[in-house]
Amino acid sequence: RKEVEQDPGPFNVPEGATVAFNCTYSNSASQSFFWYRQDCRKEPKLLMSVYSSGNEDGRFTAQLNRASQYISLLIRDSKLSDSATYLCVVNPTYNNNDMRFGAGTRLTVKP
Amino acid sequence: NAGVTQTPKFQVLKTGQSMTLQCAQDMNHNSMYWYRQDPGMGLRLIYYSASEGTTDKGEVPNGYNVSRLNKREFSLRLESAAPSQTSVYFCASSERAQETQYFGPGTRLLVL
Repeated sequence: RKEVEQDPGPFNVPEGATVAFNCTYSNSASQSFFWYRQDCRKEPKLLMSVYSSGNEDGRFTAQLNRASQYISLLIRDSKLSDSATYLCVVNPTYNNNDMRFGAGTRLTVKP
Repeated sequence: NAGVTQTPKFQVLKTGQSMTLQCAQDMNHNSMYWYRQDPGMGLRLIYYSASEGTTDKGEVPNGYNVSRLNKREFSLRLESAAPSQTSVYFCASSERAQETQYFGPGTRLLVL
């Protein structure tokens, strides 16, 4: 089983739609969680960190479910510019630099 | 403020050749990383450096060596390139462990 698993998609949604991605992780001791965004042939960039209590940044909401070992990303009112691959990132060990990346979920927002 | 820079952007090597990928950051970060990204695999950590003067193996270190030249620079060396090392290589840095990582633009490497 991979340490971090994501549905690769693609998710094809119309503008204005709400879309949600899940990501599961295998190590129950994992300490920190992130969502990164990667545009085609570009470098990954941080979208948001994921906190235990859940957090929101504009149209984006991230949730952590430790009991079921998954994190989620909800995008409301999708824009064309949201088209990208979304990477789930988990740090499996406390106080360690070893981040583990999921393979990514591809989102295409269509007019 | 350039962030994280990488050279070269593209490289073609023949099997057995060697090369060094260069990475530099101007954010005064302590930690630096080298990843490779292959289709369907996600980014995999090759080596990291938690601070100047230290380096540690990541998930896929075989066939690579690294040098943390100073706080700014972290290089990745392929001593004898193999076709399996064809990939996109990203360098990243963060202020400290578990914090946001900032990535360079990547190096696309093809080994024939």
